[in-house]
Amino acid sequence: DAGITQSPRYKITETGRQVTLMCHQTWSHSYMFWYRQDLGHGLRLIYYSAAADITDKGEVPDGYVVSRSKTENFPLTLESATRSQTSVYFCASSRYRLYEQYFGPGTRLTVT
Amino acid sequence: KNQVEQSPQSLIILEGKNCTLQCNYTVSPFSNLRWYKQDTGRGPVSLTIMTFSENTKSNGRYTATLDADTKQSSLHITASQLSDSASYICVVSASNDYKLSFGAGTTVTVRA
Repeated sequence: DAGITQSPRYKITETGRQVTLMCHQTWSHSYMFWYRQDLGHGLRLIYYSAAADITDKGEVPDGYVVSRSKTENFPLTLESATRSQTSVYFCASSRYRLYEQYFGPGTRLTVT
Repeated sequence: KNQVEQSPQSLIILEGKNCTLQCNYTVSPFSNLRWYKQDTGRGPVSLTIMTFSENTKSNGRYTATLDADTKQSSLHITASQLSDSASYICVVSASNDYKLSFGAGTTVTVRA
């Protein structure tokens, strides 16, 4: 039972590059979420998806793009990475809207 | 704006001792409150979840309390172990929103 996985776990990229972070879950959960976690801040929602082909912005969506063509995958793309996007990114999934969210192990992204 | 405030920001305790973490929230209308444990380098994992009608919920050595009138919750760790060293995050759901409100977390360090 793999649960929810993220790849890569660590990534270093340069300013201006495009980067895609992958998220995969094996539970067929309807809802999937992307968060970023920075020192001194709680987890902040970037984007969420209620089902395949349904996505919506969260609290801090600028500079990010998501897609969800399949229920199990929810990639997050930084179209032109900036230093301010250096962070730890967590993907999460839940079966229903207010049910418990299960988090992936995170991706530590550094933009130089 | 829905907010979740946690205190203290960090604390250090000796192995075997007890400690209590605090969470105050302004989320409304309230749906449920969760405490998550986040080990270094990992995603958050749910410890307890409480709805409006629940005052206390235990999970092993972890006991959470909720006072929905004063909008306060606490997490009590009994007989701490080295493995309790982690960040503890208070998360509150509003019944009219898919989004979760996250506290910034309390970092607990247990020393031998």
